[in-house]
Amino acid sequence: QVQLVESGGGLVKPGGSLRLSCSASGFSLNYYYMGWIRQAPGKGLEWVSYLSGSSPTIYYVDSVKGRFTASRDNAKNSLFLQMDNLRVEDTATYYCVRDGDALDVWGQGTLVTVSS
Amino acid sequence: EIVMTQSPATLSVSPGESATLSCRASQSVSTIVAWFQQKPGQAPRLLISGASTRAPGIPDRFSGSGSGTEFTLTISALQSEDSAVYYCHQYATWPPGFTFGRGTKLEIK
Repeated sequence: QVQLVESGGGLVKPGGSLRLSCSASGFSLNYYYMGWIRQAPGKGLEWVSYLSGSSPTIYYVDSVKGRFTASRDNAKNSLFLQMDNLRVEDTATYYCVRDGDALDVWGQGTLVTVSS
Repeated sequence: EIVMTQSPATLSVSPGESATLSCRASQSVSTIVAWFQQKPGQAPRLLISGASTRAPGIPDRFSGSGSGTEFTLTISALQSEDSAVYYCHQYATWPPGFTFGRGTKLEIK
């Protein structure tokens, strides 16, 4: 079964750090472009990061550049998002997505809450 | 950045009727548009890619059309389970400047 499962969310103070993980099963992550999308409570969808190919070029939305670092470990079939210097406005559910034919596979999401 | 404008923001339709959701791009994106359905507490689900191709397992009650800057998602024979927020998404720009619309909330009366 093709599946993405995120973990690592939680409550963190402003300026703190979190590392999100996304474990893929049922397919080899190596063959797909992957990404992270977030959704603030009651709001719409926003791209955070996009990783292209097996030797990835990584793109970030301007608001997270210099603070977030995305990576992939094809041997572990996993995707990661290191989030540093978190801000209140980073509060959101973070989804790991597969870019197959469009965004055809989504994880269930992990909630990140940044609050003092 | 390409802006995707969805209308209406909210739509209320009776069961068995059809709903037409619109999405306009601020510049041409050819047919590189997808539609997603999101129910409360769930992740979005891909309905349509390439403006008109249904994703596997999506009923043929869902249809997409359009090209350039104007796109439409039509849902026929509405059922209560179709209550959700629907998002359009363009993935035409590179390096990725992919953008989503703000969503249309569909309510089944």
